[in-house]
Amino acid sequence: ETGVTQTPRHLVMGMTNKKSLKCEQHLGHNAMYWYKQSAKKPLELMFVYNFKEQTENNSVPSRFSPECPNSSHLFLHLHTLQPEDSALYLCASNLQGGEPHEQYFGPGTRLTVT
Amino acid sequence: GQNIDQPTEMTATEGAIVQINCTYQTSGFNGLFWYQQHAGEAPTFLSYNVLDGLEEKGRFSSFLSRSKGYSYLLLKELQMKDSASYLCAVMDSNYQLIWGAGTKLIIKP
Repeated sequence: ETGVTQTPRHLVMGMTNKKSLKCEQHLGHNAMYWYKQSAKKPLELMFVYNFKEQTENNSVPSRFSPECPNSSHLFLHLHTLQPEDSALYLCASNLQGGEPHEQYFGPGTRLTVT
Repeated sequence: GQNIDQPTEMTATEGAIVQINCTYQTSGFNGLFWYQQHAGEAPTFLSYNVLDGLEEKGRFSSFLSRSKGYSYLLLKELQMKDSASYLCAVMDSNYQLIWGAGTKLIIKP
């Protein structure tokens, strides 16, 4: 399997549920990202992991909790979400260091919070 | 603050040429990226400009003017499959990508 994969592709959850999103890359990249994409809005960077260490947390609510067990896997744990958290959640990866490198994106998880 | 502006939506005809503009105001500059995103799919990388001028890649070209804080993506010989959103993103001084909201391009026969 190549590229960046994400599971599940679609998720519907209630506000009291706990769920996790999974991202996997087999590109040999050392940085991974979580983005939130809402309709007609810019991509919002949520978390960055560089060499498995979190380097950015752009004021994301604590109901979103990332986990990066190794450089190939990234999780986003969700609990007690709000309806406004409904969006497309994209994972991306790239090589950090030296010249800027493009990010490779997964297909996203379409999340609906009811 | 940091800001990326691009038109919300554009319409063009199959076989024609279209130019999608992007203006930016960021804290520092380490390059500008263009991505294509088809509905329901992942964004895919199109181009990267860090020096002024035009970069050509087949039917797609990207232009950058750092002094004007301006870039455009030029699509020639438009095909129906080019219907997609086009995202402009600037890498700032902290090597963070600042994203525009995207331009939805509609191609008509």
